[in-house]
Amino acid sequence: AQRVTQPEKLLSVFKGAPVELKCNYSYSGSPELFWYVQYSRQRLQLLLRHISRESIKGFTADLNKGETSFHLKKPFAQEEDSAMYYCALVNNQGGKLIFGQGTELSVKP
Amino acid sequence: GAVVSQHPSWVICKSGTSVKIECRSLDFQATTMFWYRQFPKQSLMLMATSNEGSKATYEQGVEKDKFLINHASLTLSTLTVTSAHPEDSSFYICSARADLQETQYFGPGTRLLVL
Repeated sequence: AQRVTQPEKLLSVFKGAPVELKCNYSYSGSPELFWYVQYSRQRLQLLLRHISRESIKGFTADLNKGETSFHLKKPFAQEEDSAMYYCALVNNQGGKLIFGQGTELSVKP
Repeated sequence: GAVVSQHPSWVICKSGTSVKIECRSLDFQATTMFWYRQFPKQSLMLMATSNEGSKATYEQGVEKDKFLINHASLTLSTLTVTSAHPEDSSFYICSARADLQETQYFGPGTRLLVL
């Protein structure tokens, strides 16, 4: 079964602290993975896709096929990073996105 | 960048009426559009996939007669909630994709409240 799991519903850190949002997946074949972010009252927007290997807004994510994980990391969290973060994979049937349950990141001053 | 709009942004209707929500790709041609439903503090649940010029493919458990989807052009898809009931109240989000290799771009969502 194709599945994305984000075990933390809420992650609260202080400004300047490192942050890691966990994502594990279940997929047969080579997955294509994404992180989407949804700021308060804004639309969902793409943050990262693993094939581009970019760093956006200081966030990085590495695909670990051995652990079937795609954790999102940032060394120093900022208050403006507070948002809902969704990990997702594209399935091999029609390119549908399968989303995790989402993690709410709260960065306190 | 690619922009997707939705109209209306919010709608309140009486139980039993039908509501139409539009999803437009403003600066690209979307061969595929997706419709999602999102409950408060929860993830997006895919309802259906819509390809231009063909019938939508619905996810398991989604009533196709209840949620009518039309994708008549490469820039417009519509979702009609027929005979709406209070349990249909939700946040409906569309996304659009130019082709299979491209990223999905999301609309701002439409909040539906059925009284």
